[in-house]
Amino acid sequence: NAGVTQTPKFQVLKTGQSMTLQCAQDMNHEYMSWYRQDPGMGLRLIHYSVGAGITDQGEVPNGYNVSRSTTEDFPLRLLSAAPSQTSVYFCASSYSGLVDPSYEQYFGPGTRLTVT
Amino acid sequence: ILNVEQSPQSLHVQEGDSTNFTCSFPSSNFYALHWYRWETAKSPEALFVMTLNGDEKKKGRISATLNTKEGYSYLYIKGSQPEDSATYLCARRAGSYQLTFGKGTKLSVIP
Repeated sequence: NAGVTQTPKFQVLKTGQSMTLQCAQDMNHEYMSWYRQDPGMGLRLIHYSVGAGITDQGEVPNGYNVSRSTTEDFPLRLLSAAPSQTSVYFCASSYSGLVDPSYEQYFGPGTRLTVT
Repeated sequence: ILNVEQSPQSLHVQEGDSTNFTCSFPSSNFYALHWYRWETAKSPEALFVMTLNGDEKKKGRISATLNTKEGYSYLYIKGSQPEDSATYLCARRAGSYQLTFGKGTKLSVIP
């Protein structure tokens, strides 16, 4: 199993550009999520999905869009990049906690994004 | 407590010392408490997932306890080694899916 994969690892954007961060998992996990990590802020949830076709907003959703057309993929779109979106982005996945709340959440390697 | 809070924010210990950190969380609507180990330039790696009041988990020199009634968990490291240097995150699962993370405790073990 590759686990959770993310591409690209690094990206530099100019203000106003759009781009998509890719995330994929091969563990058949129902739940997938996107976090951003900023100094002194910890991990903050951007968007999440509990299955194909179902997405919802997290704590900091503004400026981001997601969709989930398959169980495996959960891309994050930056609609019009702003310097405030400079951050490290992590994708994560897990089984649903409905059956067993003790399931671990697995993280991808992260994407370091700089917006100038 | 409204959010997940971790203390201390950072910690420096000598190699061989034992240490512990605290995670405090809202006790209502509790499903699970996760601990992660996060090394610089890597992704968080799960240490423990605890669900029941009184749970104790152990992995090598690292152990954790859980008190869901009062809303806290302790992470213990016995005989700290330089390779234990990392940020330790806790996260509370309130519903079936979402995790709310604390800001972490950064541990530096001095050889």
